[in-house]
Amino acid sequence: DAKTTQPNSMESNEEEPVHLPCNHSTISGTDYIHWYRQLPSQGPEYVIHGLTSNVNNRMASLAIAEDRKSSTLILHRATLRDAAVYYCILNYGGSQGNLIFGKGTKLSVKP
Amino acid sequence: SAVISQKPSRDICQRGTSLTIQCQVDSQVTMMFWYRQQPGQSLTLIATANQGSEATYESGFVIDKFPISRPNLTFSTLTVSNMSPEDSSIYLCSVAQGPHYASYEQYFGPGTRLTVT
Repeated sequence: DAKTTQPNSMESNEEEPVHLPCNHSTISGTDYIHWYRQLPSQGPEYVIHGLTSNVNNRMASLAIAEDRKSSTLILHRATLRDAAVYYCILNYGGSQGNLIFGKGTKLSVKP
Repeated sequence: SAVISQKPSRDICQRGTSLTIQCQVDSQVTMMFWYRQQPGQSLTLIATANQGSEATYESGFVIDKFPISRPNLTFSTLTVSNMSPEDSSIYLCSVAQGPHYASYEQYFGPGTRLTVT
């Protein structure tokens, strides 16, 4: 399975944008880039996913590099509720959809 | 989206016993998965629960230890057998729709926190 590399932790101030990076240099053409987050004491929550083009939804934006070897999850205005572990996952297009979780980035948000 | 419930939400069990965890979804789904999250760790996939056939287990997980049932498209169970303290974890089920699973989001249940003494 293609692997991802994320910083262990990041800090942000409330109401400021947050850019969470992810490197996936061995990504293949059929790998989708998924982001999930896990708030304390909860199951993971879907955030966003994409293949080649940048994606936006109500929660976040996903910026994908042209060579697809890296991506950035953008939270436009961090809130205290966004404090969580964020996982960048490559979901192989030929698989049965099972997700392989790495260690993720623990995001802290300061008021 | 799908709403997933798990029972029990938590349990404390004696070593050597077994616990069955239930996962119920509010709509029919194509794929169901079981994950384990050990204390302070990330999630590890245990198996894919297949409707009407045997589950597909990941490396390091076997049917005798983690038997799984999936009798229909909205329900699955995971049993943790002959438990030891090393089985203390949070167990989560998740669901995904098809037909192109990789391009669809997954939804996770709240988890079952298991402590084995």
